[in-house]
Amino acid sequence: EVQLVQSGAEVKKPGESLRISCKGSGYSFTSYWIGWVRQMPGKGLEWMGIVWPDDSDTRYSPSFEGQVTISADKSISTAYLQWSSLKASDTAMYYCARHGGSYGDGDYHMDVWGKGTTVTVSS
Amino acid sequence: SYDLTQPPSVSVSPGQTVSISCSGDGLGRKYVSWYHVKPGQAPILVIYQNKRRPSGIPERFSGSNSGNTATLTISGTQAMDEADYYCQAWVSSTFVVFGGGTKLTVL
Repeated sequence: EVQLVQSGAEVKKPGESLRISCKGSGYSFTSYWIGWVRQMPGKGLEWMGIVWPDDSDTRYSPSFEGQVTISADKSISTAYLQWSSLKASDTAMYYCARHGGSYGDGDYHMDVWGKGTTVTVSS
Repeated sequence: SYDLTQPPSVSVSPGQTVSISCSGDGLGRKYVSWYHVKPGQAPILVIYQNKRRPSGIPERFSGSNSGNTATLTISGTQAMDEADYYCQAWVSSTFVVFGGGTKLTVL
């Protein structure tokens, strides 16, 4: 079964660092982009960025460039999303998802999703 | 930046047909995907490449894309279809963008 398993919920204080994970299984992890999506409470989906696990090439949405770091460790089929200094405004649900599709044709649909990781940042 | 515009909400009676629009400059030249999101659940892909359905998605879901507007249509809408729906496209400058989402209410 193709799946992405995300790490568990986190409760942090402002200024703390955090790394959450997304482990893929059931497919060739190095053959698909992995993306991260934020959903703040009561708000819509926001695409944050992606990583190509084979060589860790990353691309960021302008809204998230410099705010988070996306990475991957292909040896353990895991992608990461990390913050160096959390803010209360980082409180949200974070999803990882596999970008399927024909990239050369501009098709980057997200066909497999993790269940999400809730991040709560509060003093 | 590139924006995808969706109506905030639409409503439909059970068994009827409903369409949700997604507008963007030159959108018809891009591949559009659609997702539904229910409270407390991860998004589910319902349409990709404008009109293709993933396995397991009912035939009542269909999509089209032309000009500046992509459309998701649900025929014979069921109560279980009540959810938030998001369109998504790839844009070279910002890579991937989502629409603001449409809340579908089945009355």
